[in-house]
Amino acid sequence: GIQVEQSPPDLILQEGANSTLRCNFSDSVNNLQWFHQNPWGQLINLFYIPSGTKQNGRLSATTVATERYSLLYISSSQTTDSGVYFCAVLLYNTDKLIFGTGTRLQVFP
Amino acid sequence: GAGVSQSPSNKVTEKGKDVELRCDPISGHTALYWYRQSLGQGLEFLIYFQGNSAPDKSGLPSDRFSAERTGGSVSTLTIQRTQQEDSAVYLCASSLSGGAGQETQYFGPGTRLLVL
Repeated sequence: GIQVEQSPPDLILQEGANSTLRCNFSDSVNNLQWFHQNPWGQLINLFYIPSGTKQNGRLSATTVATERYSLLYISSSQTTDSGVYFCAVLLYNTDKLIFGTGTRLQVFP
Repeated sequence: GAGVSQSPSNKVTEKGKDVELRCDPISGHTALYWYRQSLGQGLEFLIYFQGNSAPDKSGLPSDRFSAERTGGSVSTLTIQRTQQEDSAVYLCASSLSGGAGQETQYFGPGTRLLVL
């Protein structure tokens, strides 16, 4: 089956720093979503981005479908950005999300 | 409602007991999904309902797991004869119509199940 790998697995930042999280997938996908799981466990939608680039405030994401990767950029990080970031993909003709391994981010003041 | 809701928030049960977990999708969403998040397995798909179609049960780990969706809205996930390895967070999600991957899935807060 498809493999979805994220890097780095862990990331520690000081408030104000920028970071880039990567998601690699081993097969063609129909859809890709980025989620933030906050310390209380809630999965929060960040981006629906099967291709191209999107921006929302301090966050932006780029998916290069032909090269099978997506990047999530966090600028001017804040302590509230702490948590686990997941990418998840959908194969063609299916509706079940396949989640990546996650990146655990800790932002310290 | 404003978002996907799940109940109970937390459930502690004894090995061998049956449990029922409930999910209320976003109003108007016809597609509903169950996922499980456990320490060893990450986030994994369990089952998917789309309208009146037969559910996609391909992710259910054993025949002790079942789910139903009544009236195209509320769903119940039932685990019979619970085992300690069933301990996990069970997450429910919904999307507008589940149109072959064209829509965002929105997640509920989850039910944390602990089997002693």
